[in-house]
Amino acid sequence: DTGVSQNPRHKITKRGQNVTFRCDPISEHNRLYWYRQTLGQGPEFLTYFQNEAQLEKSRLLSDRFSAERPKGSFSTLEIQRTEQGDSAMYLCASRPLSTHEAFFGQGTRLTVV
Amino acid sequence: DAKTTQPTSMDCAEGRAANLPCNHSTISGNEYVYWYRQIHSQGPQYIIHGLKNNETNEMASLIITEDRKSSTLILPHATLRDTAVYYCIVRVASNNAGNMLTFGGGTRLMVKP
Repeated sequence: DTGVSQNPRHKITKRGQNVTFRCDPISEHNRLYWYRQTLGQGPEFLTYFQNEAQLEKSRLLSDRFSAERPKGSFSTLEIQRTEQGDSAMYLCASRPLSTHEAFFGQGTRLTVV
Repeated sequence: DAKTTQPTSMDCAEGRAANLPCNHSTISGNEYVYWYRQIHSQGPQYIIHGLKNNETNEMASLIITEDRKSSTLILPHATLRDTAVYYCIVRVASNNAGNMLTFGGGTRLMVKP
């Protein structure tokens, strides 16, 4: 059971730098989600893929954020020109088409200094 | 998606049942009740879901009132490892939609020895 894998687990970056996170979903899970969680709050939805198609994006996903899921397998989330307000835990989840349960990764904790 | 209301925090003695309430008075007939929990520094974990009937699995029981306006998650014999934030989420489940999760603040359950 490999579960949802996210890399890196931690990232410290200077303000203004670009960062990229990777999510490897459970094999054959065609739905993939990105969430962001700040300290003391519940996770907030960012974007959703079904296979390689990005079908929904939250208003939270500013122009500096971009997500891809080439070939419908792993996904990447890139943040350009990072700001201190981007500091958060970035969570990835996946699930098959016909089940209720979403499986979350351990997250990538981003700190912008 | 219907909004939910949960107590901010609760304590439970180890070995006793933990009963976590959730109010969802505006729930629609086609909306499910989902429970997830998040242990410190980990991604959320699915626990259970239900529509109308009470449900039980190896982790917990879910009791939904007849009018569906509230529910209770029951951990029958809480252990220290059950200390976590518990999220009650209400949403439609559809194969034609993203089915992303809207997390509130959750209930912080502290299991004490």
